[in-house]
Amino acid sequence: EAQVTQNPRYLITVTGKKLTVTCSQNMNHEYMSWYRQDPGLGLRQIYYSMNVEVTDKGDVPEGYKVSRKEKRNFPLILESPSPNQTSLYFCASGQGANGYTFGSGTRLTVV
Amino acid sequence: SQQGEEDPQALSIQEGENATMNCSYKTSINNLQWYRQNSGRGLVHLILIRSNEREKHSGRLRVTLDTSKKSSSLLITASRAADTASYFCAANFNKFYFGSGTKLNVKP
Repeated sequence: EAQVTQNPRYLITVTGKKLTVTCSQNMNHEYMSWYRQDPGLGLRQIYYSMNVEVTDKGDVPEGYKVSRKEKRNFPLILESPSPNQTSLYFCASGQGANGYTFGSGTRLTVV
Repeated sequence: SQQGEEDPQALSIQEGENATMNCSYKTSINNLQWYRQNSGRGLVHLILIRSNEREKHSGRLRVTLDTSKKSSSLLITASRAADTASYFCAANFNKFYFGSGTKLNVKP
């Protein structure tokens, strides 16, 4: 089944403790992206990747890192999480001008 | 800044009625896409309309695009309680920009 898999689904962590949210897709898509969703703000793009070893900042990249060492994986790294990074995170992948396939989301709480 | 903006923010209708949601964007686009999100879940792609298309249908969905007004509308005909969800438009010009969404409530 074609899908984007994110882990974990839920995460509660403390300020400053490094964490990684994994994202994997099995559709051989070149394009992958991370979004965060906050009430009243819609989805905002954090980082995106056009292909392996090619990443670029989205609209809200501060406090986040990504890597794209393999086509299928696009992890999101928070080196020193802060409470303002409490949010619902989505990974998505796509091909060409077609629609995105989204993961099920990761609800992160930073206390 | 958000490039896609939906209107209205919330819509409540009775089952069987039609639901219309509008989207405006700010720049030239390659295509515009509509997504659906059930509460707290991932977004599901509904339909894509290219910049050279004016109307597209998929089942009970009808999408129009007016590039001169930089706007699009999504019509859901004969709505069902299961259509209750948030709907987002995404303007695609090299990157995707999502609006804040329209929250649709279909009452049985």
